[in-house]
Amino acid sequence: DQQVKQNSPSLSVQEGRISILNCDYTNSMFDYFLWYKKYPAEGPTFLISISSIKDKNEDGRFTVFLNKSAKHLSLHIVPSQPGDSAVYFCAASGGAGGTSYGKLTFGQGTILTVHP
Amino acid sequence: ETGVTQSPTHLIKTRGQQVTLRCSSQSGHNTVSWYQQALGQGPQFIFQYYREEENGRGNFPPRFSGLQFPNYSSELNVNALELDDSALYLCASSLFAANYGYTFGSGTRLTVV
Repeated sequence: DQQVKQNSPSLSVQEGRISILNCDYTNSMFDYFLWYKKYPAEGPTFLISISSIKDKNEDGRFTVFLNKSAKHLSLHIVPSQPGDSAVYFCAASGGAGGTSYGKLTFGQGTILTVHP
Repeated sequence: ETGVTQSPTHLIKTRGQQVTLRCSSQSGHNTVSWYQQALGQGPQFIFQYYREEENGRGNFPPRFSGLQFPNYSSELNVNALELDDSALYLCASSLFAANYGYTFGSGTRLTVV
């Protein structure tokens, strides 16, 4: 049962344009959502997160949008740079008191390639 | 501030053998979680340790076991290795019950032949 899904295995974008990575989830108990970036031979590194009480969080070139009714979140990267080329994982965690609090459920990942 | 260190980086084992993977937590972190990442998949939660006790477990059989030491370092042990255990094993340290602030190591690539 895949509770967090990233339906696009890959995305190719031109430098300077916007990259939009999507993520869907099924578990309504998820309360906190994170995006991680992973380069080959390295562990995932934290990028940006959002709590379920918000619908948008922005950090520099990165913005995460959350649509709770649709159980959907997206990561926008503007402008995209070649150094952004990596695998991006969406992850979710449960609320306080729940069994999944503090434990991450990951999507399958999306390979982003930004062309110069 | 040191990050999360995992050892070894790669290893090859034969089916049926046992393996121990090691992880040193980031300074100041008291919780360690282990994840398995199969090829082409996202990391899957194996279990988490806090105060040297297991604090939650994912859908993994008992032959996957762990330890956390007083200095917050950790081991993942896998008995009776199967071919499907071939994966990247990631360790992440954090503060207890934090939904954020996970620091991942670079992982151990295990190949079972």
